[in-house]
Amino acid sequence: KAGVTQTPRYLIKTRGQQVTLSCSPISGHRSVSWYQQTPGQGLQFLFEYFSETQRNKGNFPGRFSGRQFSNSRSEMNVSTLELGDSALYLCASSWGQGAMVEQFFGPGTRLTVL
Amino acid sequence: SQQGEEDPQALSIQEGENATMNCSYKTSINNLQWYRQNSGRGLVHLILIRSNEREKHSGRLRVTLDTSKKSSSLLITASRAADTASYFCATDEWDDYKLSFGAGTTVTVRA
Repeated sequence: KAGVTQTPRYLIKTRGQQVTLSCSPISGHRSVSWYQQTPGQGLQFLFEYFSETQRNKGNFPGRFSGRQFSNSRSEMNVSTLELGDSALYLCASSWGQGAMVEQFFGPGTRLTVL
Repeated sequence: SQQGEEDPQALSIQEGENATMNCSYKTSINNLQWYRQNSGRGLVHLILIRSNEREKHSGRLRVTLDTSKKSSSLLITASRAADTASYFCATDEWDDYKLSFGAGTTVTVRA
């Protein structure tokens, strides 16, 4: 069974631009979560989606948004990029109980903002 | 913000030795999980322990949970070079749909 895939794997943007990251969960998984990982703040929760509905959102500015499609694939968007948005963005999927069960993580998208 | 603290921040051991790391958290939890991360890659799930459990084993891993002290420990026995990684504890609360991670412990296993 294929694992969680994230595209692109690496991305370089400049301040003020916007970016869209994509996540394809394991087949059959309906819950998709996003996390940001930085050396300073560690792993921080961004949002969680189930059946196209956002069930929780972390403490991030409105520049960070996401969505989930009917096939459970998810995208996150960051508008007006800032230097501090440079991070590894991780996507995780699970059957449906969200964080209450084992999460399967993708390899991440490493975003560098110049 | 992160839910908990992990101790130590870094650990260096000889192959074959045991590695123990601790995690403390702040709120009442539903479950506690441990994950491993190799060199800035994705996280790999190791073990999940529920709030009503005190100890759990999986292969060379042993996890304990003390909800009265809001703490957990992960023991890796007979370590191998492949165990070199960062280890994170993560907690969830009822109907919260998110994991709150600790800062992680970086383990280096020397050959």
